[in-house]
Amino acid sequence: QLQLQESGPGLMKPSETLSLTCTVSGDSITNRQFYWGWIRQPPGKGLEWIGSIFHTGSTYYNPSLKTRVTMSVDTSTNQFSLSLSLTSVTAADTAVYYCVRDSHYYDSSGYYLVSDSWGQGTLVTVSS
Amino acid sequence: SYVVTQPPSVSVAPGKTASITCAGNDIVSKSVHWHQQKPGQAPVLVIYYDTDRPSGIPERFSGSNSGNTATLTISRVEAGDEADYYCQVWDSSLGQYVFGTGTKVTVL
Repeated sequence: QLQLQESGPGLMKPSETLSLTCTVSGDSITNRQFYWGWIRQPPGKGLEWIGSIFHTGSTYYNPSLKTRVTMSVDTSTNQFSLSLSLTSVTAADTAVYYCVRDSHYYDSSGYYLVSDSWGQGTLVTVSS
Repeated sequence: SYVVTQPPSVSVAPGKTASITCAGNDIVSKSVHWHQQKPGQAPVLVIYYDTDRPSGIPERFSGSNSGNTATLTISRVEAGDEADYYCQVWDSSLGQYVFGTGTKVTVL
């Protein structure tokens, strides 16, 4: 049974760099059927996709966050990570951050992804 | 950027049918997935690729996609269906997801 567990600091200061890790159990991060992604949700608000990564390092990023985001995979520990440069506005990046598994397939029209499993989420508060 | 709109709220009586829309330009050309989120919990996938249902999701949940609107339909609504519902749109030409604004379903 797949389990996704986020870990990282709960409190950050503006303009710092946030680093979060997702530990995957019950599946191999090198499984060719899946990408691995991050989605966030500010308190009381909707969902925002951050990005998705394949075990080879191939990535898809949200264009609105692309300049501040780096994702990576560590196949030796079955983990993937998010690095986000925080803005100077505290509320902008305060959110629950979820890691997800993205099932994917490819055909002549392109790649297709769906977030089919979610971690429980971790709250990151940005405050000076 | 691609914009997807959902109604903020839908109210439905138990046993009736709830329809939640997800509107976007030519959304029929994209892949639409639906997630259910109950208070304090992580979302759960309930419909993927417009019409498919993951194992364990009741047949009461169904989806469709046509023109500029995708729809999640919940038949024979139960109290336990009360939740926020988000459409997630995958645009294969741009290689990106966009989420809808979310719809709160209230069971009267």
